[in-house]
Amino acid sequence: QQQVKQSPQSLIVQKGGISIINCAYENTAFDYFPWYQQFPGKGPALLIAIRPDVSEKKEGRFTISFNKSAKQFSLHIMDSQPGDSATYFCAASIGNTPLVFGKGTRLSVIA
Amino acid sequence: DTEVTQTPKHLVMGMTNKKSLKCEQHMGHRAMYWYKQKAKKPPELMFVYSYEKLSINESVPSRFSPECPNSSLLNLHLHALQPEDSALYLCASGQGANNSPLHFGNGTRLTVT
Repeated sequence: QQQVKQSPQSLIVQKGGISIINCAYENTAFDYFPWYQQFPGKGPALLIAIRPDVSEKKEGRFTISFNKSAKQFSLHIMDSQPGDSATYFCAASIGNTPLVFGKGTRLSVIA
Repeated sequence: DTEVTQTPKHLVMGMTNKKSLKCEQHMGHRAMYWYKQKAKKPPELMFVYSYEKLSINESVPSRFSPECPNSSLLNLHLHALQPEDSALYLCASGQGANNSPLHFGNGTRLTVT
């Protein structure tokens, strides 16, 4: 019930393409869904986050789509660039409890 | 650059050594965290401090000993570690309030020989 399932494990996208990473959860009490981006040798950095009362949130080229009935949320990266190559983690939490992380997706954007 | 500063960046220690990892934040955050991250894995929670008091210990072996001297500082004391403890150790801070984001440092890369 506390798991967040993330897919795919790895993803290769052409420069300029759309990268899509999906996450699914079981616990309907989750009320906060952030995405973190991690470059090699660095700590994770918050990219964008959403709450379940919103179906979509966009910040620049990054969009979270949230489907409450399906218990799924996804990250879309438009116009993907080589600089977006990183590992992406979805996460979820309830109130102020610690985040539950997905297993991560390694994104490679090739020219 | 991250606003959570961790030192040292790299550490190599033998199994009989005692060492400490340090973390500092000046964002006024009330909660501080230690995570362990193995290669190609998500961060794994070890400890949470809230208002300088240990609030969560995720059944971490006693060879890891956290300390929060004040609201800006967090230490992780290491003693008699095993080679399997080699990992990236991440510190994070946050408001500790509902839906508040975590800010991570860049970690200490620990190698136990």
